[in-house]
Formats: sequence, C-alpha cells, structure tokens
Amino acid sequence: DTAVSQTPKYLVTQMGNDKSIKCEQNLGHDTMYWYKQDSKKFLKIMFSYNNKELIINETVPNRFSPKSPDKAHLNLHINSLELGDSAVYFCASSRGANQPQHFGDGTRLSIL
Amino acid sequence: GQSLEQPSEVTAVEGAIVQINCTYQTSGFYGLSWYQQHDGGAPTFLSYNALDGLEETGRFSSFLSRSDSYGYLLLQELQMKDSASYFCAVLRSGGYQKVTFGTGTKLQVIP
Repeated sequence: DTAVSQTPKYLVTQMGNDKSIKCEQNLGHDTMYWYKQDSKKFLKIMFSYNNKELIINETVPNRFSPKSPDKAHLNLHINSLELGDSAVYFCASSRGANQPQHFGDGTRLSIL
Repeated sequence: GQSLEQPSEVTAVEGAIVQINCTYQTSGFYGLSWYQQHDGGAPTFLSYNALDGLEETGRFSSFLSRSDSYGYLLLQELQMKDSASYFCAVLRSGGYQKVTFGTGTKLQVIP
C-alpha cells in the first residue's frame, strides 16, 4: 500500500564505503526526486528524474549518482562516503514537475 | 539567486489561529507550496498557490501575493497534533520546473 517506499530506513557505514539507497513509487507518477535533509532540517533537492531522464542535477558531488531502471524506481548510489554525507535522504515523486510531491519515509545515513 | 525566508519558530495556543509567513526572491517564479513535517517523519503536501489569493483546505489556508513575493500558511483551530515543522517551497520555471524549500518554521502548539 505504501506509495513511495525507500530502503533501507537506517544505514550506518564507515567513511570511504560505497552504498545505495533504493526508492520505488506505485503512484504511476512521471517525476521522481532525491532530497538531502541535514541536521538543521534544511531540505535540499539533489536530483529529479522525469520519464527516466535527468532533468535537474543540482550542484552535488559526482560521488552521488542517481539510477532509474524504470519510471517507478529511482535509486541513489553514493561512492566514497564522507562524514558530511550524514543526513536523512528522502525520495519523492509527483505526477508532474509542478504537482504535489509525495515523500518516502527517509533513509537515515550515518557515517562513522 | 533564490532565497526564501520564514520564521524559525512559532508558538501558539491550542484552539487559536497562527499564520506562518514566507517571503521569497527568485526568478521564473511559478508557484508556492507548503509542506508539513513531524519530527522523524516525512514531509507531506499541504497546499499549492500559483495565482494570487487564498486557497482553503479544511483548517488550513494558504495565501499568495505574487506582486509582493509573499505568501502565508494559516492554521485555524490549532490542535496539539499540528506541532510540526512547516516548509514553504518555491517552484521555478525554466525547462522543467525546479523547487527550492525554505528552512522551515517549527510550530509548537501549547495547551
């Protein structure tokens, strides 16, 4: 029943590792997003995909790479994790670029 | 560049009315959205204004003045469960629209 689901919910790993976060939406939406929310609750958009094409790529390090195997999935792969990557990462989707966004429950990433 | 300003914290009494303001500076303004986020939870969509005026959804209303680059979220008949952070978000045009979230207003509802 979950509209936007992301896994894992918690991710604790060491600096330098590579990790992936998965996101799936069953709403039939055309646009998916990844956000980073830091400890001060600032919510910053990282990527946006529309019909499998990257349409927004904010100034994030190229260690972060979104991968969309199909319209319902947008995964986030992170290489060489750094301490500053510790945050909550939210996946979201919307019917169109100016439509309400539906968020997943977030993935809490902690770098040791 | 773009900027959004909203108060960092607001405290209000249960049953009262509270207004959370949002001012923005951006090019290619398309619309203003509001989201609610409880501690430890995900943001949830509340309202969207593309045109000037008031949009009402139950106890929540949102207002936009494009000429003043200003909007607000109005919460009526406050309940304890309304304690949360509220984010305004600007949608900008330019190919595909882009979205920028404000820094959020933490609302505390007290008995």
